[in-house]
Amino acid sequence: AAGVIQSPRHLIKEKRETATLKCYPIPRHDTVYWYQQGPGQDPQFLISFYEKMQSDKGSIPDRFSAQQFSDYHSELNMSSLELGDSALYFCASSFRGGQTNTEAFFGQGTRLTVV
Amino acid sequence: AQTVTQSQPEMSVQEAETVTLSCTYDTSESDYYLFWYKQPPSRQMILVIRQEAYKQQNATENRFSVNFQKAAKSFSLKISDSQLGDAAMYFCAYRRRGSNYKLTFGKGTLLTVNP
Repeated sequence: AAGVIQSPRHLIKEKRETATLKCYPIPRHDTVYWYQQGPGQDPQFLISFYEKMQSDKGSIPDRFSAQQFSDYHSELNMSSLELGDSALYFCASSFRGGQTNTEAFFGQGTRLTVV
Repeated sequence: AQTVTQSQPEMSVQEAETVTLSCTYDTSESDYYLFWYKQPPSRQMILVIRQEAYKQQNATENRFSVNFQKAAKSFSLKISDSQLGDAAMYFCAYRRRGSNYKLTFGKGTLLTVNP
């Protein structure tokens, strides 16, 4: 079965650079979530999208932005990178549909290292 | 705001034995979901088991079962017949019922399985 695809799997950037993380949800899933997991930390919710509209926002820095495209894939754009942005970034997808919300499935994550 | 607390940073168990991981949570909502996720060294976030708050019956998935005490806001995970492949970080997570799948995670419990 198709899973959530994240690219790249690993990314190394220098301070003050820009990074773009991509997420391709499971086919027919209409909702995408982004989480940030720092070293030794629990995942923290950043932002979510449903039908290409932002549906919820967590502790996402102003330097970060995200969007969901017409094919439902999502991109997380991170600018002016800081050392503290080094983390594992997870994307998850689910089918929200009408009143039913199925489980969210996580991708394997993108490990971002800022040097 | 909802909070999830895992009071055991690390646990260990002998292969084939049983171990219980603890989780407590705080919420003012009456309808919600609780989850246990497993994160092995590969860092993939894998759903182990979920419990709907409106269901009194404890969820079970093969060797994994939960003890859900709604009044006490407690949600422990029991792993029976532990296997070496069960070694991982285990996260307890909360989501309020609705269309938003934003998860709130605990800090995690690192489980070691000894041969």
